[in-house]
Amino acid sequence: KQEVTQIPAALSVPEGENLVLNCSFTDSAIYNLQWFRQDPGKGLTSLLLIQSSQREQTSGRLNASLDKSSGRSTLYIAASQPGDSATYLCAVGTPGSYQLTFGKGTKLSVIP
Amino acid sequence: DTAVSQTPKYLVTQMGNDKSIKCEQNLGHDTMYWYKQDSKKFLKIMFSYNNKELIINETVPNRFSPKSPDKAHLNLHINSLELGDSAVYFCASSQGSLLRNTIYFGEGSWLTVV
Repeated sequence: KQEVTQIPAALSVPEGENLVLNCSFTDSAIYNLQWFRQDPGKGLTSLLLIQSSQREQTSGRLNASLDKSSGRSTLYIAASQPGDSATYLCAVGTPGSYQLTFGKGTKLSVIP
Repeated sequence: DTAVSQTPKYLVTQMGNDKSIKCEQNLGHDTMYWYKQDSKKFLKIMFSYNNKELIINETVPNRFSPKSPDKAHLNLHINSLELGDSAVYFCASSQGSLLRNTIYFGEGSWLTVV
């Protein structure tokens, strides 16, 4: 059974810092991996989708990498801003393709 | 224009009651989902429908019954509510499988059972 772990559970950084969020998964037989952002009282917004054949994806200040063999992904946020404060969740697409397995998320606080 | 909308956003009800949460998507997607996020923040799939047919039914008490009247709607009905049902319920949709397509979430329905 696929399990997804995100470390750390919470992270606080000063504005302007570059930071890395980590995600690991137990079963490397994945179709894809997605990073989401969840704001308090809101739903999830998809940030980046990496297919299993890809190594990374970039969108603006965000860069997500995938190392399927080691069961790891990282989300790199450059020049962090207070508006980046949110919970970031990692999810993997499992065989069957109709469901995602989520981690618990990393709560990021960017201090002005 | 909200892509995935669910109502109500907040619901407080007593144990033993029956309640429904409605979900609608205007993205033209053919697959819809219900996820539950518990107090520990774990987000878990409950149900998935593709073209109105149930394709995923995780280990969920049979007090929970999804209903999909058409591809754009997936409602969740809960009978005999229990304290442990208190959680945030998210509706979501995607086009086809999640093999290559991203998933869109609603803003959640906060259910509190007292």
